[in-house]
Amino acid sequence: SQTIHQWPATLVQPVGSPLSLECTVEGTSNPNLYWYRQAAGRGLQLLFYSVGIGQISSEVPQNLSASRPQDRQFILSSKKLLLSDSGFYLCATRRRDLSYEQYFGPGTRLTVT
Amino acid sequence: QQQVKQSPQSLIVQKGGISIINCAYENTAFDYFPWYQQFPGKGPALLIAIRPDVSEKKEGRFTISFNKSAKQFSLHIMDSQPGDSATYFCAAKSTSQGGKLIFGQGTELSVKP
Repeated sequence: SQTIHQWPATLVQPVGSPLSLECTVEGTSNPNLYWYRQAAGRGLQLLFYSVGIGQISSEVPQNLSASRPQDRQFILSSKKLLLSDSGFYLCATRRRDLSYEQYFGPGTRLTVT
Repeated sequence: QQQVKQSPQSLIVQKGGISIINCAYENTAFDYFPWYQQFPGKGPALLIAIRPDVSEKKEGRFTISFNKSAKQFSLHIMDSQPGDSATYFCAAKSTSQGGKLIFGQGTELSVKP
């Protein structure tokens, strides 16, 4: 079965500081990877997805970026955080087979002060 | 542009009752419809899912009903328990764009003892 690790679990950062959130996946190869943000309220906003190493698609134009340096590693970054970047960041993975099942990681709670 | 509409936003049910959450989609380019359950501070967990060639799927107390012609699907929770109190999300998987999931806005379910 797949296991998703997200680091760190919580983070408090000042406005204007850089950001790096990491997601690693175990138990599968060549998965599709996704970054979501969940702001106050409940909605899940898809930020980026990747179908392979170095392949990143952006869903929402903003000051965030994503990279996939290894098959099972997905990184979310920012050069300068904004207050509006606060939220619950979730990494998700889906196997490249016909199961279609997508699984979420435990999330990173980011507070920008 | 929201392509999956979920209702109600919140739902209160008595223990032992039936919880019903509805979703409607606006795009036919979907081939998989999952439901997720999320507890506070946790990542969403895959609960049950259905493909459009099936009209109903049941797993324990959870049932998905799917109406392809009406572009609607619903989650029924039988014999609802206080432990079912959580936020529920429906979703639809795109046949393109990396198979991304389009999520509904969520339903906060509270089961009263």
